[in-house]
Amino acid sequence: NAGVMQNPRHLVRRRGQEARLRCSPMKGHSHVYWYRQLPEEGLKFMVYLQKENIIDESGMPKERFSAEFPKEGPSILRIQQVVRGDSAAYFCASSLSGTTHTGELFFGEGSRLTVL
Amino acid sequence: AQSVTQLGSHVSVSEGALVLLRCNYSSSVPPYLFWYVQYPNQGLQLLLKYTTGATLVKGINGFEAEFKKSETSFHLTKPSAHMSDAAEYFCAVRTARVGGKLTFGQGTILTVHP
Repeated sequence: NAGVMQNPRHLVRRRGQEARLRCSPMKGHSHVYWYRQLPEEGLKFMVYLQKENIIDESGMPKERFSAEFPKEGPSILRIQQVVRGDSAAYFCASSLSGTTHTGELFFGEGSRLTVL
Repeated sequence: AQSVTQLGSHVSVSEGALVLLRCNYSSSVPPYLFWYVQYPNQGLQLLLKYTTGATLVKGINGFEAEFKKSETSFHLTKPSAHMSDAAEYFCAVRTARVGGKLTFGQGTILTVHP
């Protein structure tokens, strides 16, 4: 049973380019969360999605960042016109839904974005 | 609103010594509490969690934590540290409702000396 899959694991972009990070949740999971980890800091919540819906985007920067979780395919975190401050590790997590919900989030290995 | 405070960004112990990583939380509703471990350049792995029931929970690798509602604490302990325990540890809180997000503490880096 594959875990949460993120790709790419490492991504290098120049300032002004776009970064797209992908996340496939664990099988049977319909809740996806994105977190950002800056150097020497903890994980900061960005956005919570279910299939075709954004449930909570209170942690997303107002500009340049967007996220989606389409009916088919992985969840995508998109960063437009990247700046050096966007350099970080971006983690995706997934969880079960419904009455069997245990509260646990399962994390992927992360995508490490470096902006030159 | 919910929040987590981890006391001590760095903890250093000798191999074989007691490990104690402190975590205090704030939550307006009954919380789910978690400890995750992160090794360098890797994702987060669940160590243990408290949802309901027994307040002393045991996790992987010999770790345990005790939920103390009166102290709003969920400290992580291990009787005897091993070199392989060196990592960063995160305490997290989540409200007991479907889909509630995890809120993390700042993390504690554990160093184990020979």
